[in-house]
Amino acid sequence: AQSVTQLGSHVSVSEGALVLLRCNYSSSVPPYLFWYVQYPNQGLQLLLKYTTGATLVKGINGFEAEFKKSETSFHLTKPSAHMSDAAEYFCAVSGGTSYGKLTFGQGTILTVHP
Amino acid sequence: KAGVTQTPRYLIKTRGQQVTLSCSPISGHRSVSWYQQTPGQGLQFLFEYFSETQRNKGNFPGRFSGRQFSNSRSEMNVSTLELGDSALYLCASSDLLAGGRSPNNEQFFGPGTRLTVL
Repeated sequence: AQSVTQLGSHVSVSEGALVLLRCNYSSSVPPYLFWYVQYPNQGLQLLLKYTTGATLVKGINGFEAEFKKSETSFHLTKPSAHMSDAAEYFCAVSGGTSYGKLTFGQGTILTVHP
Repeated sequence: KAGVTQTPRYLIKTRGQQVTLSCSPISGHRSVSWYQQTPGQGLQFLFEYFSETQRNKGNFPGRFSGRQFSNSRSEMNVSTLELGDSALYLCASSDLLAGGRSPNNEQFFGPGTRLTVL
């Protein structure tokens, strides 16, 4: 079984400040980890993914995440927030024989203040 | 390549009716997954189809069903609609290797169908 916990349903930052969205996972098989972003009335867009190899993963729009197996974490960061980053962010896990199934966290709404 | 498309984008139905939603995957993708998104339950996996076969199913009642056609297009059906079925239904497609396995299960999502049950 797999599960994801996102700490903080709402995160608020000032424009230019560091963005940190937290994600912890549980998986009985080597996990594949993903961060998706969702803008209002739209589907999900992939920000970045971890499959194997390098544990620091860079994604689109300046986001990155680090896979820490010992902490079962995959936190998302961005050094400097932009107003356009305001959206809802989802961490997800898959792996093993869970064909076509992503297990998502509850989501974190990011608000960026001018 | 064109992205994942879903039709219709919005639907309003009444309790007891049934509804069919359609999803066209990215060209060449043979795996299609469906998700339900609600404010209370978040994003939940419904089922996945590959080469016209359902390979995986989430924890939803039998009122929720789906199918996939030979061109990989997929439909999902919800019968005897309940108020709680109001949700955004998302479809996602994947590009799989031979043998039906994906190197990373990366999924590409459509814009969703917003279903409102009155």
